[in-house]
Parts: sequence; C-alpha cells; structure tokens
Amino acid sequence: AQSVTQLGSHVSVSEGALVLLRCNYSSSVPPYLFWYVQYPNQGLQLLLKYTSAATLVKGINGFEAEFKKSETSFHLTKPSAHMSDAAEYFCAVSGRGRTSYDKVIFGPGTSLSVIP
Amino acid sequence: KAGVTQTPRYLIKTRGQQVTLSCSPISGHRSVSWYQQTPGQGLQFLFEYFSETQRNKGNFPGRFSGRQFSNSRSEMNVSTLELGDSALYLCASSPASPGLTNYGYTFGSGTRLTVV
Repeated sequence: AQSVTQLGSHVSVSEGALVLLRCNYSSSVPPYLFWYVQYPNQGLQLLLKYTSAATLVKGINGFEAEFKKSETSFHLTKPSAHMSDAAEYFCAVSGRGRTSYDKVIFGPGTSLSVIP
Repeated sequence: KAGVTQTPRYLIKTRGQQVTLSCSPISGHRSVSWYQQTPGQGLQFLFEYFSETQRNKGNFPGRFSGRQFSNSRSEMNVSTLELGDSALYLCASSPASPGLTNYGYTFGSGTRLTVV
C-alpha cells in the first residue's frame, strides 16, 4: 500500500527566498507522484506530476520537483517565493494501475507562509 | 471549458438529518472521486465512480454513499449526520478510467458541510 509523508506541517519563508517542501513516499512499486496546491476556500489544483519520464518535473507558477528513487522523495522547490505562493501544499501518490483499484493517497499537507 | 462544479457551496444541517451533495465533472471526464477534508484527518478518500459503477471505496461507514449518472454527474449522500461529519467535501474528476492514475485530478471548490 502506498503512503505519503510531508515533513513540516508549516513552513515560513521570506519573499524572494527558496521554497522547499518535503515529500517522502512509500510504495512497493514505482509510483506516480503529484503535488497539489490549495488556496483558502478552494479545491486543490494540480501543480505538477511525475509519471516516469524525466525525474525533474516542471510545473506551473515556477515550481518544480525531483523524483529520487534512492531517497523515495519528491520534494517541491521554487527558487524565489512570491506572496501569492502562500497556500496549503499536498503531495500525493498513486499506483501505476497494476490493479484496477489504485487510488490517489494524499499527504497531510504543508502550509506555506511567505513573509514580506 | 467549464471546471468541476460542486453544489451547494455551503450547507448547515442538524444531527440526524441526511444530506446530498452534487458534483458535475469536466465535460468528457468519466471518473469522479470524492474526498473528505478535515483539519484533523486531512484528505480522506471516500469513493470513486466510473461509468456509473463504484470502482473503489475508502474506509467510511455505510452512512456514506454515492452514485453516478449516465452523464457522469455524481452525488454523494450522508445519512444520519453526526457532528464529526462536518468537513469540506471535495469532488475530483479525471479523464482516465480507474487504474490509469497518471492524469491527475481536477478538483471542484468543494461543499462545506457543517453539522450542528
């Protein structure tokens, strides 16, 4: 069974500083991995996904993530934080459809604050 | 292209009542999944529907049920409401069939259910 952990329920960065949100997964087979962002009173929006092409994945709003199999990690980064990046971020994992019962499992989320 | 539409946005119900939430997926998307989001438990998978059939179910009591119509619209129902059912209920649609999880989800804005 897949699972996801996100280190740090809350992260604060200064505007213009590097954003690093951590995600580690547990899966018996190479998974698909996703990052979603949720703004207040809204649903989740897909930022990027890893589906076994390039290990460095670029997403929307300047975010990227790198899949590291040896570390079972899929950390999310952005070189320079903007005030509009303040939101809740969720890492998610799913199987690769080896059964018809794979579902997407979400991590607990990391709340990102950006300090002016 | 219209997004995922969930109605109503907000709902207040009394303990013991029942409630029905509606979700209209993106046109052409045949897979609809439901999640419950609470501060304490995060995003919990409820169920997934594809072509009017429930293909996957999470660990929720039988009071939680759902269905999908031929036009892919989905409803979920919660009977005998409890205070603990207060949550944001999110619907997510995907163009893929269950087992093909690499597409990612498009989420609606959710229905905020408050049980008093």
